[in-house]
Amino acid sequence: QKEVEQNSGPLSVPEGAIASLNCTYSDRGSQSFFWYRQYSGKSPELIMSIYSNGDKEDGRFTAQLNKASQYVSLLIRDSQPSDSATYLCAVMNAGGTSYGKLTFGQGTILTVHP
Amino acid sequence: DGGITQSPKYLFRKEGQNVTLSCEQNLNHDAMYWYRQDPGQGLRLIYYSQIVNDFQKGDIAEGYSVSREKKESFPLTVTSAQKNPTAFYLCASSLKHQPQHFGDGTRLSIL
Repeated sequence: QKEVEQNSGPLSVPEGAIASLNCTYSDRGSQSFFWYRQYSGKSPELIMSIYSNGDKEDGRFTAQLNKASQYVSLLIRDSQPSDSATYLCAVMNAGGTSYGKLTFGQGTILTVHP
Repeated sequence: DGGITQSPKYLFRKEGQNVTLSCEQNLNHDAMYWYRQDPGQGLRLIYYSQIVNDFQKGDIAEGYSVSREKKESFPLTVTSAQKNPTAFYLCASSLKHQPQHFGDGTRLSIL
């Protein structure tokens, strides 16, 4: 079983729809969860961080975390063509004196079509 | 501007050659990381360093080497022992227990 697994893509949604990206993780000690957006040929850019159970909203983005189910998701409301990118889920276990290594999922390709 | 600078943007390696990728940051971050990304895959950790003069192997360290002589700099050498070096290499840095931020990457190819 992969340590961090994302829903298989590619995911295609029409402009204005809600895009739902999902991620499960295997390490119950994981404490911090991040979503990165990566445009083709570019480096990943941090778009959301979530640390406690529940929802966290930032503009059109909502991150949801359920530690009991070991599940984290990203919702993108009113999807725009500019949201078309690969979305990477990353999980951190920052126990002890460790700075906290990130484990990444394989990414989900999102295409928003006009 | 504060940030992470990787150079060069594109690099070509000849057979049997070692090449070094540069990563510099002026964010005053203690931790620095090197990742490799292959097409259609996520990021795999090569090496990381939490303090100057100390570094640890990641998941795919074979064929790579690093040094951390200054807080700002964490160069990665791809040695001739790395038989499949063609990939997108990403450097990142962070404060303790904070998310990592990435440079623009170096794309390495074999001549």
